[in-house]
Amino acid sequence: GQQVMQIPQYQHVQEGEDFTTYCNSSTTLSNIQWYKQRPGGHPVFLIQLVKSGEVKKQKRLTFQFGEAKKNSSLHITATQTTDVGTYFCAGPTAGNKLTFGGGTRVLVKP
Amino acid sequence: KAGVTQTPRYLIKTRGQQVTLSCSPISGHRSVSWYQQTPGQGLQFLFEYFSETQRNKGNFPGRFSGRQFSNSRSEMNVSTLELGDSALYLCASSPGQGSPGYTFGSGTRLTVV
Repeated sequence: GQQVMQIPQYQHVQEGEDFTTYCNSSTTLSNIQWYKQRPGGHPVFLIQLVKSGEVKKQKRLTFQFGEAKKNSSLHITATQTTDVGTYFCAGPTAGNKLTFGGGTRVLVKP
Repeated sequence: KAGVTQTPRYLIKTRGQQVTLSCSPISGHRSVSWYQQTPGQGLQFLFEYFSETQRNKGNFPGRFSGRQFSNSRSEMNVSTLELGDSALYLCASSPGQGSPGYTFGSGTRLTVV
């Protein structure tokens, strides 16, 4: 079936460093959404990308949607301890249900 | 504006029992989706309801069912509980098709013993 995959599964980052997490779909997506879940919390919607090649920024976070609309990335610059959590990408798959990737769990070393 | 409310927050049940979880979406939101979250499987889609109709269903056995009421509140039911049903059950609401982003509730943590 249609799948949404994320790499890496875990990301250990030194505070102040940059990192990127990647999301790949087995099929073309009409849009890609990103969510953040803090430890012990629930997923919180961050952003949606719709257009091929679209790039959006939220402060230190940069989101990109691939040209083929099958992949996306989230780049965080100057990582802070507040960035700790799991980042999920999600896209509408068969039947327009929102399918989530496995998530990238971010751990920050102070 | 109140968020998505899920009750109860925590639940402990024994194998073979059944359980009903409740979700009240944001006022005005007509779409409610349910997800099961476990450490090994991530967020797995259960079903989506829109205006009292099930619009989508995930790959879960028939023991998992749900419904939505005219006020958009939704319930999900799990019958004949198994140990593997232990998980965080998340409800998410949205205004409907075409509106970006789901708003999730805090979830119901179900433990089956």
